[in-house]
Amino acid sequence: DQQVKQNSPSLSVQEGRISILNCDYTNSMFDYFLWYKKYPAEGPTFLISISSIKDKNEDGRFTVFLNKSAKHLSLHIVPSQPGDSAVYFCAASEAGGGADGLTFGKGTHLIIQP
Amino acid sequence: DTGVSQNPRHKITKRGQNVTFRCDPISEHNRLYWYRQTLGQGPEFLTYFQNEAQLEKSRLLSDRFSAERPKGSFSTLEIQRTEQGDSAMYLCASSSEGSEQFFGPGTRLTVL
Repeated sequence: DQQVKQNSPSLSVQEGRISILNCDYTNSMFDYFLWYKKYPAEGPTFLISISSIKDKNEDGRFTVFLNKSAKHLSLHIVPSQPGDSAVYFCAASEAGGGADGLTFGKGTHLIIQP
Repeated sequence: DTGVSQNPRHKITKRGQNVTFRCDPISEHNRLYWYRQTLGQGPEFLTYFQNEAQLEKSRLLSDRFSAERPKGSFSTLEIQRTEQGDSAMYLCASSSEGSEQFFGPGTRLTVL
């Protein structure tokens, strides 16, 4: 029973264009959401987060949008760069600030084409 | 390097053997988490500590799995009587109050 779903196993985007990664969740108790990026042979690296009281959070090239009514969030990367090629995980937490264990999706492999 | 470290990075063992992994968190972090990641899946939460107290252990996969953090610093994860299904990447993460979780590079376990 996947409480966090990333339905696109992979996504290919041309360098310089916008990358949009999507995530859906089913647990209404989730109130904090995070995106992590993972390169092979490394642990996940935190990218950006959003609390359920907000609908948008921006950090440089990365923006996360949250639609609570649809239980959907998305990560926008603009412009996409070759170094963005990695697996991106969406994660969620029931505790404020992600203090407890996170629930992850299966990940989306983003490939940036030159 | 002041990140989360995990040892060993790779472990190959025979079915039925016990294995122990170590995690050293970022020094000022009081929370420490263990996750398991299998091929094609995201990390799966196992347990976490706040200082030396284990606050959540109901997600440990079976009674063969146990974790300790005796002095509130490093932590160990032990798997007894390993099975082939235990083959996975075991990830450790740490955080401080209000911060995101920082992950280590993981220990890859292969059970033959």
